[in-house]
Amino acid sequence: AQTVTQSQPEMSVQEAETVTLSCTYDTSESNYYLFWYKQPPSRQMILVIRQEAYKQQNATENRFSVNFQKAAKSFSLKISDSQLGDTAMYFCAFMRVNRDDKIIFGKGTRLHILP
Amino acid sequence: EAGVTQFPSHSVIEKGQTVTLRCDPISGHDNLYWYRRVMGKEIKFLLHFVKESKQDESGMPNNRFLAERTGGTYSTLKVQPAELEDSGVYFCASSLRVMNTEAFFGQGTRLTVV
Repeated sequence: AQTVTQSQPEMSVQEAETVTLSCTYDTSESNYYLFWYKQPPSRQMILVIRQEAYKQQNATENRFSVNFQKAAKSFSLKISDSQLGDTAMYFCAFMRVNRDDKIIFGKGTRLHILP
Repeated sequence: EAGVTQFPSHSVIEKGQTVTLRCDPISGHDNLYWYRRVMGKEIKFLLHFVKESKQDESGMPNNRFLAERTGGTYSTLKVQPAELEDSGVYFCASSLRVMNTEAFFGQGTRLTVV
């Protein structure tokens, strides 16, 4: 069975700092997708970044980037120049390719950006 | 274009009562998913509709939960009778294609059973 583990329940950083959210996962699959989702307070959960396991290059989206270590089964999210609007719950997630359509989530990390 | 919308945003009911949650997916999205997050735990898959058909309902916890998607548009998730352990946030998501790696989520319905 696939599992996703986020070891940091809550984090706080000052605005403009860089923060890294940790995520590890366990799977026997060789091909899969990894995601980071963000849910601001009382708002919709949105996809922040997606990584395909067969791609070695780390995905980036503006201030958001990942450090994907396939052998270590690690998928951390780095937020550079953090902004107040980055305050949210962040979920790391996993989906197998061509097996089923389920997204498997971690427990989430609540991130507070302080002014 | 409207995103995935869920109603109500919050619901507080007593144990033994019935509650119906509603999800309106993005127009044209055949795939609709329900997920649930119990406090402090992972978001877990409940079921997947393709149009009006249940593609996968392996995550439904028990027969007190009934999901429908008549006409392949909006979906309802009914809990009857509700138990304390049903409390949590219920998320709905939709996607255009099966195995689409970008599912669009609603804001969730927070259900509290007292």
